[in-house]
Amino acid sequence: NAGVTQTPKFQVLKTGQSMTLQCAQDMNHEYMSWYRQDPGMGLRLIHYSVGAGITDQGEVPNGYNVSRSTTEDFPLRLLSAAPSQTSVYFCASSYSITGRGGTGELFFGEGSRLTVL
Amino acid sequence: AQSVTQLDSHVSVSEGTPVLLRCNYSSSYSPSLFWYVQHPNKGLQLLLKYTSAATLVKGINGFEAEFKKSETSFHLTKPSAHMSDAAEYFCVVSDPGTGRRALTFGSGTRLQVQP
Repeated sequence: NAGVTQTPKFQVLKTGQSMTLQCAQDMNHEYMSWYRQDPGMGLRLIHYSVGAGITDQGEVPNGYNVSRSTTEDFPLRLLSAAPSQTSVYFCASSYSITGRGGTGELFFGEGSRLTVL
Repeated sequence: AQSVTQLDSHVSVSEGTPVLLRCNYSSSYSPSLFWYVQHPNKGLQLLLKYTSAATLVKGINGFEAEFKKSETSFHLTKPSAHMSDAAEYFCVVSDPGTGRRALTFGSGTRLQVQP
């Protein structure tokens, strides 16, 4: 069981470069999301998706793009990297986030550590 | 709007003594509440969840939490700490009243277990 797979695990970028963090899940989950984790701030939601072709912004979406062309994949794109985007990024998925809120367990990848110089 | 406050950023206990990690929440409706654990350089793993059934929730590895609506609290406890419990713990709330399908995370409590 692969679960949620994130690549790369580590990346160093220069300011202004672009890159894509990959996320794939093999559990047929409807819901996928991206979080960033910064010291003392918990996890903050960047973008999420409730199914293929449907995405929405989270708490801190600026500077990031997402798309959901398949159920399995949910890539996160940094358009023009900035030092403020240095963080650990987590992809998480769930079978369903029912109704208006979430009652389902989130399954997390192991994270992608990004440094922007 | 929903929010979560973890009252302690660091907690240190001795092995074999009780653990108490405190969490207060704010929610417009009846929320779902979760505790997640993160070991160093790993993703988060669900410890337990409350979804309006029994107010005392049992989780993995001997942890449990009690939902107290009158105190808007969801504190995590364990009777006897083990060295392997050293990790960061996150209290999480999901509020159906927000209209957003997302979870709100607390800022985390780092648990140290001394031998």
